[in-house]
Amino acid sequence: AQKVTQAQTEISVVEKEDVTLDCVYETRDTTYYLFWYKQPPSGELVFLIRRNSFDEQNEISGRYSWNFQKSTSSFNFTITASQVVDSAVYFCALGGYNQGGKLIFGQGTELSVKP
Amino acid sequence: DADVTQTPRNRITKTGKRIMLECSQTKGHDRMYWYRQDPGLGLRLIYYSFDVKDINKGEISDGYSVSRQAQAKFSLSLESAIPNQTALYFCATNENRQGHSGNTIYFGEGSWLTVV
Repeated sequence: AQKVTQAQTEISVVEKEDVTLDCVYETRDTTYYLFWYKQPPSGELVFLIRRNSFDEQNEISGRYSWNFQKSTSSFNFTITASQVVDSAVYFCALGGYNQGGKLIFGQGTELSVKP
Repeated sequence: DADVTQTPRNRITKTGKRIMLECSQTKGHDRMYWYRQDPGLGLRLIYYSFDVKDINKGEISDGYSVSRQAQAKFSLSLESAIPNQTALYFCATNENRQGHSGNTIYFGEGSWLTVV
């Protein structure tokens, strides 16, 4: 069975701190996709990244970086120098090969960045 | 204009009433999905459709039905709403494109439904 676990329900940091959001997944598929979405207080889902299982390169986009480790089935997300605007719920999700938009979501991590 | 439009965006309805959430997309995609979000549970798949003649149950389809009226339209119905169906509902769409590249999933802005 496929499963995504985000063990951190809530995280609170002070602005400019670095913060890492953890994501651990389970799948028997050899090819799969991993996603991160941001959900601000307004409720919409904002796509952040998609990673293929055969590409273990870490990725950096501005203050955001992602660490994909197949050996530990983890796909962690780090925000460097956090800002108040980063306050949101963040979801990690898993998709199977040729499963299209059928995603398994984690429970979400609510990040609060205080000034 | 949004690529994926959901209506209504907010609705309060009474227990036992029938309610329909509508979704339309301008991307020309074959595949459409309905998800439900509950606090602490993330999003869960209710129904999905890979083309106009294809309807499939997702993880939590009980109490829901869907209709794929056209390629661009996918409606979710609660035949007799109950309070534990109070949630945020998302429609999504993506291309029918196989292969290693994966594909982008477009989500609507969500529909807040409260059943009292």
